[in-house]
Amino acid sequence: AQSVTQLDSHVSVSEGTPVLLRCNYSSSYSPSLFWYVQHPNKGLQLLLKYTSAATLVKGINGFEAEFKKSETSFHLTKPSAHMSDAAEYFCVVSDGSSNTGKLIFGQGTTLQVKP
Amino acid sequence: EAQVTQNPRYLITVTGKKLTVTCSQNMNHEYMSWYRQDPGLGLRQIYYSMNVEVTDKGDVPEGYKVSRKEKRNFPLILESPSPNQTSLYFCASSVGTVFPITDTQYFGPGTRLTVL
Repeated sequence: AQSVTQLDSHVSVSEGTPVLLRCNYSSSYSPSLFWYVQHPNKGLQLLLKYTSAATLVKGINGFEAEFKKSETSFHLTKPSAHMSDAAEYFCVVSDGSSNTGKLIFGQGTTLQVKP
Repeated sequence: EAQVTQNPRYLITVTGKKLTVTCSQNMNHEYMSWYRQDPGLGLRQIYYSMNVEVTDKGDVPEGYKVSRKEKRNFPLILESPSPNQTSLYFCASSVGTVFPITDTQYFGPGTRLTVL
């Protein structure tokens, strides 16, 4: 069965410092993995996705994530945080082991950026 | 403008009074899905649809119904709402239906439902 664990419910960084949001997944087959961002009182927007091509994926606004099969991880990083990055971030997995359109979301990580 | 619309955006109702939340997309997407968002639980998938007349359960389908009679519409029906269905609901759509899902989900603005 597929599952997603976001290891931190809340991350606080100072503006200009690196961001690391951690995500571990469980999947019995080659998954697709996504990161979505939700700004306060807004809908969700795709940041980036891994779909079995390059393992280092670049997304919007300077974010990137690396798919590590051996560690079953898909951590999200950004070299330098900006105040506008404050939001909630969701790691999402889609498992290809069965013919299912299910998407599993992590519990979310709230990123706080301090001036 | 390509978008997913939901109506109503806010709804306060009472236990047992049937309600429908509409979802419509104008992108000719095959895949549509409903989620509920609750604090500390992230988003949980309620139902999804791979195409017209094809629907399937997500992780939390109890108490909900859906239908997909047209490609663009995917209403969520609560036949007898209860207070534990108080939540923020999102509809989403994406292009295709290969497995695993690889396409970007486009989300609606959300519907905040309160059941008293």
